[in-house]
Amino acid sequence: AQSVTQLGSHVSVSEGALVLLRCNYSSSVPPYLFWYVQYPNQGLQLLLKYTSAATLVKGINGFEAEFKKSETSFHLTKPSAHMSDAAEYFCAVRGSQGNLIFGKGTKLSVKP
Amino acid sequence: ETGVTQTPRHLVMGMTNKKSLKCEQHLGHNAMYWYKQSAKKPLELMFVYSLEERVENNSVPSRFSPECPNSSHLFLHLHTLQPEDSALYLCASSQERAVYYGYTFGSGTRLTVV
Repeated sequence: AQSVTQLGSHVSVSEGALVLLRCNYSSSVPPYLFWYVQYPNQGLQLLLKYTSAATLVKGINGFEAEFKKSETSFHLTKPSAHMSDAAEYFCAVRGSQGNLIFGKGTKLSVKP
Repeated sequence: ETGVTQTPRHLVMGMTNKKSLKCEQHLGHNAMYWYKQSAKKPLELMFVYSLEERVENNSVPSRFSPECPNSSHLFLHLHTLQPEDSALYLCASSQERAVYYGYTFGSGTRLTVV
């Protein structure tokens, strides 16, 4: 079975600081992994995805994630946080039925 | 504009009411999904439609009834709901359940059951 664990339900960083949001996955098939962002009162927007090509994946808004098979991780990073990055972030893995299985989400706060 | 439109954005209903949520996509996708998002819980997949046929129903109570009349429209009919059904209901679409491309989500309907 596939599952996703996001460590930390809430992360707070200062503006300009490094953003690191953690995601570990479990998958019995080659994983497809995704990061989505959800701004208040909106749906989920795709940030980036890993689908067995390059292990370092670049997404929108300056975010990137690195797939590490040995660590079963797909952590999301951004070198310098901006106030507009405050949102909730969801990691997801492809399920055995082809659907997406989401983690519980991590709420990112950015302090001025 | 996400390409997936959900209406209404907000809905308050009594436990004896009947209402429907609507989802519409103009992306040419042929798979559509209903998710439930409750506070402090993971996103829960409720229903999947592929090529207008329901292919997945994750043990959702019968008070939720989906309908997919064509590949562009998806409805969620609600009746005799419970307060614990209050949540954000998200619709998503994809091409042939091709997870490779990810899903496109609507902005959701915030449902409050009183």
